Order: sequence, then structure tokens, then C-alpha cells
Amino acid sequence: DAKTTQPNSMESNEEEPVHLPCNHSTISGTDYIHWYRQLPSQGPEYVIHGLTSNVNNRMASLAIAEDRKSSTLILHRATLRDAAVYYCILRALYSGGGADGLTFGKGTHLIIQP
Amino acid sequence: DTEVTQTPKHLVMGMTNKKSLKCEQHMGHRAMYWYKQKAKKPPELMFVYSYEKLSINESVPSRFSPECPNSSLLNLHLHALQPEDSALYLCASSQDVGGAYEQYFGPGTRLTVT
Repeated sequence: DAKTTQPNSMESNEEEPVHLPCNHSTISGTDYIHWYRQLPSQGPEYVIHGLTSNVNNRMASLAIAEDRKSSTLILHRATLRDAAVYYCILRALYSGGGADGLTFGKGTHLIIQP
Repeated sequence: DTEVTQTPKHLVMGMTNKKSLKCEQHMGHRAMYWYKQKAKKPPELMFVYSYEKLSINESVPSRFSPECPNSSLLNLHLHALQPEDSALYLCASSQDVGGAYEQYFGPGTRLTVT
């Protein structure tokens, strides 16, 4: 899978929107952009994923740049529960070996101030 | 329901013991995964099962032996582990392999090898 670059940490205030950036300049045309988060002492949690168009779900929005070399995860109104490590991961539509897993980078530690 | 269950939650074992970790999902997913997460590090892929067949073994030592008895169950058999194998072991599942499908994780089994 192609590599992603994220800031090590970000801080935001409770009840404000949060924009988490991810750069993936070597993305290929069939790579999906996935976001997961991991709260302390828990397993990772799926947040959202997309290919080309912006995506919305009940947890967040994913904004994908037109050239697909970057994307932004948007939490519309942060709560203290959103404090976690957020991982941006590229996944090929179909790997040559017939199966694949997630390759986690270091992610972004999101700190929410009350 | 997007639940993946893992048992036990915690496990302490000696280096000569044999134990097993269990993972279960009832979402009809055909791909299941084992990840290992050391403290303050991101998860690392160990094994991928696709349609009950082992698809990926990420050069994991033979003291870890995965098994997929049916499409809902995934086991990880442990034998002659080393203290450095102490970690959080995470199970995940997805509808199918490939980037179009998100993964759902269990809460993990925290393993301590003494």
C-alpha cells in the first residue's frame, strides 16, 4: 500500500469542528482512502472511507482533494470522546495476492480540550 | 450489528504453556484478520484469512498458529511464546478482501508472557 503522512498530534476544543489532514502523494487510481481511530485501551474503530468523491456518515465527513493526493477527515463537532489516535490508510482495490490487511502508520493523536 | 468479539480479554501465560485466543463475528464477513499491537505502537498485521483459507502470513514465527474452523470463527493458538510476545492481539473482519470494504475490530486480548 502507498504511504500516508499525518501530523503527529493536533489539539482542538470541545464542540468545535476538527479537520485532520492526510497526505498521500503516491496514491494510485484504485487506492481507497480509509480512516480508523483508536481510543485508549480499545481496538481500532472504523470511521469512514472513500475513493474519489467526498463521503459523509454519522461519525464524520471525508473530503478528498481533486487530485487525490490529500484528504481531510472532518469531525463536525468534537466531543471529549473523540480524543484518540486517527489513522489514515490507503488500501488497494484488490491486492495481487488476493487478500490484504491494513498497514497502520503512526497516526495523529487528537487531543480535545474541554 | 458490527460486533467482533474476542476472548479472553486478558491472558497471562508462561513460556511453556499452550493457550488459544478466540475471535467471533456473525456479520457474514468472509475475511478475518489477526493483528499484534505492542505498547504505544500501531497495530501490525499477522495473518489474513479469506473464505476460510489462510491468504497472508506476515512472516510470523511458528509459535503462533492461526486456525479458521468456519466462516464465523478465528483462533490463534499460542505455544512456547517469549516475553517479547506480550502485546494486545486484535482480531478484525470485513465483508470481503480489498480496499472497498472496511474492517471491524474486536476489543483485543491483552497477552502477558511471563
